[in-house]
Amino acid sequence: AQKVTQAQTEISVVEKEDVTLDCVYETRDTTYYLFWYKQPPSGELVFLIRRNSFDEQNEISGRYSWNFQKSTSSFNFTITASQVVDSAVYFCALNDYKLSFGAGTTVTVRA
Amino acid sequence: DAGITQSPRHKVTETGTPVTLRCHQTENHRYMYWYRQDPGHGLRLIHYSYGVKDTDKGEVSDGYSVSRSKTEDFLLTLESATSSQTSVYFCAISGERTSREQFFGPGTRLTVL
Repeated sequence: AQKVTQAQTEISVVEKEDVTLDCVYETRDTTYYLFWYKQPPSGELVFLIRRNSFDEQNEISGRYSWNFQKSTSSFNFTITASQVVDSAVYFCALNDYKLSFGAGTTVTVRA
Repeated sequence: DAGITQSPRHKVTETGTPVTLRCHQTENHRYMYWYRQDPGHGLRLIHYSYGVKDTDKGEVSDGYSVSRSKTEDFLLTLESATSSQTSVYFCAISGERTSREQFFGPGTRLTVL
């Protein structure tokens, strides 16, 4: 069974639109960590955020924001006022005893 | 940026040949990991190491072996490469097993003909 589900395979938006990436996870542990990574077209994997299971406070970092809801096992990611440079594959990941990645969502931002 | 390098960055080889990929870190992190990335699968863990000479299997370990003789180096070996092992391989490091983020190397693109 997949532990991390990113239901959206691809999202295409026009610059300045907001885009929300969904992530649903599955774990039996009470202590776990959630992550988002970005993989731009150049191929490297860039760490964006880490959240532990005891901290449901939403977070905003510039144009990025994250909504963590334990009740629905979701950790969604929103890019506000998207830019072409946001075009990338975004991965959600869960670490309970090992790191499991979702399949990724490809975001294309058109000028 | 975390100091992680991978070599080679690109390799083309033939079915049946052995291949070794190297990951080198300068961060003195205890944990090192090898992943493969394939379309539709995200990243999948092959093997990981929790110390010198301490390694364990991940979810897709068949056909791969690893070794770690020094803190800074983690080698991934394909004993007899197959076309199904054509992939992009990423090395990662972390200071803790679960709670800390992993930092990734630049990746190695391996093609097995």
